[in-house]
Amino acid sequence: ELKVEQNPLFLSMQEGKNYTIYCNYSTTSDRLYWYRQDPGKSLESLFVLLSNGAVKQEGRLMASLDTKARLSTLHITAAVHDLSATYFCAVGGWENQGGKLIFGQGTELSVKP
Amino acid sequence: EAGVAQSPRYKIIEKRQSVAFWCNPISGHATLYWYQQILGQGPKLLIQFQNNGVVDDSQLPKDRFSAERLKGVDSTLKIQPAKLEDSAVYLCASSLIDRGAFFGQGTRLTVV
Repeated sequence: ELKVEQNPLFLSMQEGKNYTIYCNYSTTSDRLYWYRQDPGKSLESLFVLLSNGAVKQEGRLMASLDTKARLSTLHITAAVHDLSATYFCAVGGWENQGGKLIFGQGTELSVKP
Repeated sequence: EAGVAQSPRYKIIEKRQSVAFWCNPISGHATLYWYQQILGQGPKLLIQFQNNGVVDDSQLPKDRFSAERLKGVDSTLKIQPAKLEDSAVYLCASSLIDRGAFFGQGTRLTVV
């Protein structure tokens, strides 16, 4: 059974600092996704990582994937208040998971001045 | 491109009552998911459709929950009878194969 674990679950940062969120998963999967969720809102897609070694960057966020370690990271550079949200990783794909999309518990990020 | 549409946005019912949620996916998306998100947790997959067939419903409490996707487009999720622990946000998502899922705004259900 595919399990997805994130850590930390809560993260309080100061503006301007760097930090990394980790996403581990239990079985071979084709795709790794990162989503953002603001309070009371739905999920917004941030990144889709398709292969081992994939790295994607958007603004102050950078996501990477190591399929051999079954690990993805979301790195935050020089955090700003607007990044405060809950971040989810999700794992799935058609080749190994029949199209399932399984989410981690989420990391609640709070960026303080 | 229109997004995933869900209704209603909010619903308050008493325990043991019935409730139904509706989802209209993005046009052309063959895969449709229903997720349950309890406050403070990640979305939990309830059921996955491919066109109008069920791919996975292993986490769906079938004694009270049911879902259908007629003609491979719109979908409804029903709870009958509702329990207090069903209070959650119900999210519908759709996707093209291997392109990731796009989510609707969700229906916030409160069971009192």
